[in-house]
Amino acid sequence: GAGVSQSPSNKVTEKGKDVELRCDPISGHTALYWYRQSLGQGLEFLIYFQGNSAPDKSGLPSDRFSAERTGGSVSTLTIQRTQQEDSAVYLCASSLTSGSPDTQYFGPGTRLTVL
Amino acid sequence: SQKIEQNSEALNIQEGKTATLTCNYTNYSPAYLQWYRQDPGRGPVFLLLIRENEKEKRKERLKVTFDTTLKQSLFHITASQPADSATYLCALDIRSSASKIIFGSGTRLSIRP
Repeated sequence: GAGVSQSPSNKVTEKGKDVELRCDPISGHTALYWYRQSLGQGLEFLIYFQGNSAPDKSGLPSDRFSAERTGGSVSTLTIQRTQQEDSAVYLCASSLTSGSPDTQYFGPGTRLTVL
Repeated sequence: SQKIEQNSEALNIQEGKTATLTCNYTNYSPAYLQWYRQDPGRGPVFLLLIRENEKEKRKERLKVTFDTTLKQSLFHITASQPADSATYLCALDIRSSASKIIFGSGTRLSIRP
């Protein structure tokens, strides 16, 4: 079956512009996560969706970041008024449930470069 | 403060030897600990999971140990091959938070022929 897909694979934007990153999770997976990975760094948790519950937004670095998950499937991460420090790889992951153990399946990521 | 530490330097191993990667943590009580592999330009891929009441878990050439007293996990690759070269991430499954797995920054492993 298809894995987690993300688009675009690369995005170059100018400082101050808004960007939207898309994630298509594995069909049937109820949990969806967004992470950010800067060069040589670990994964920084951003936001988590589980079914119809309110998302856990505790990892979002600022109010310029927001995310939606429509119909319990596709998710969009939006970054408004991008800054150079937003440059990173944004990874999406999905898992079957939110309970432990929570093995996550990752997409290939979107590399965002803010000029 | 809460920390997860992995070998900070890249690890270079001769093919055929055993590679051992370390994951140390403080101030967490993870229910599970996972290891992922990440290749350049790709997302992490799950390898192994070990529960808090397990001391050791094996899968083919991989072995993971979990010492909750030392707050440490060791990840071993026996008979290492150049194809094992990648970055390996440990991740703690924090029972107190249903939404988060906390990842270490990873150790870059290079296996030379």
